[in-house]
Amino acid sequence: QLQLQESGPGLVKPSETLSLTCTVSGGSISSSSYYWGWIRQPPGKGLEWIGSIYYSGSTYYNPSLKSRVTISVDTSKNQFSLKLSSVTAADTAVYYCARHTPDFMVAEPFDIWGQGTMVTVSS
Amino acid sequence: EIVLTQSPGTLSLSPGERATLSCRASQSVSSSYLAWYQQKPGQAPRLLIYGASSRATGIPDRFSGSGSGTDFTLTISRLEPEDFAVYYCQQYGSSPETFGQGTKVEIK
Repeated sequence: QLQLQESGPGLVKPSETLSLTCTVSGGSISSSSYYWGWIRQPPGKGLEWIGSIYYSGSTYYNPSLKSRVTISVDTSKNQFSLKLSSVTAADTAVYYCARHTPDFMVAEPFDIWGQGTMVTVSS
Repeated sequence: EIVLTQSPGTLSLSPGERATLSCRASQSVSSSYLAWYQQKPGQAPRLLIYGASSRATGIPDRFSGSGSGTDFTLTISRLEPEDFAVYYCQQYGSSPETFGQGTKVEIK
């Protein structure tokens, strides 16, 4: 059974870079059918898609965050990672990783999610 | 970007009652690529419905989805105690993928 697990620091200082990793277990990240995405949820608020990556390294991002986001993949470790630069308090959120298929393939929604990890931006 | 507006913001109902949740899109959702998720406190969202009306694996048949174009509905035919949660719609037919702001179904 495929599982996703986020990991990374729970506290990041303003202006620094937030870095998180999602480890995929029970299956291969190198599946030709799926992209792997990051979604966040500020406390008490809704969900925002950040960006996604294919096992080949192809990425696409939410334009609202594109200038600050980098997503990378390490197929040897079955992991993909998120970097968000120049963070502010507005980036405080629970960050989820999830599997999906984008609209330029046969689109599928986020069907498998990690449990989420809370990241607080504070000095 | 497609903006999704969910209504009502909160729905107060009793177990056994029928819940009807609405999701309206600012423009037509391509190929009915509309999904519904359930989220309970401290948990990740769980996929309920995809393609506007198809139930995800393991989802009880009291959950049903309908709609096309810009207007979509999630119906819970008879609320069970475990159904009280927040529900989000999401369109995945055009980038960026976007979510509605959520509808909370609470116990009356």
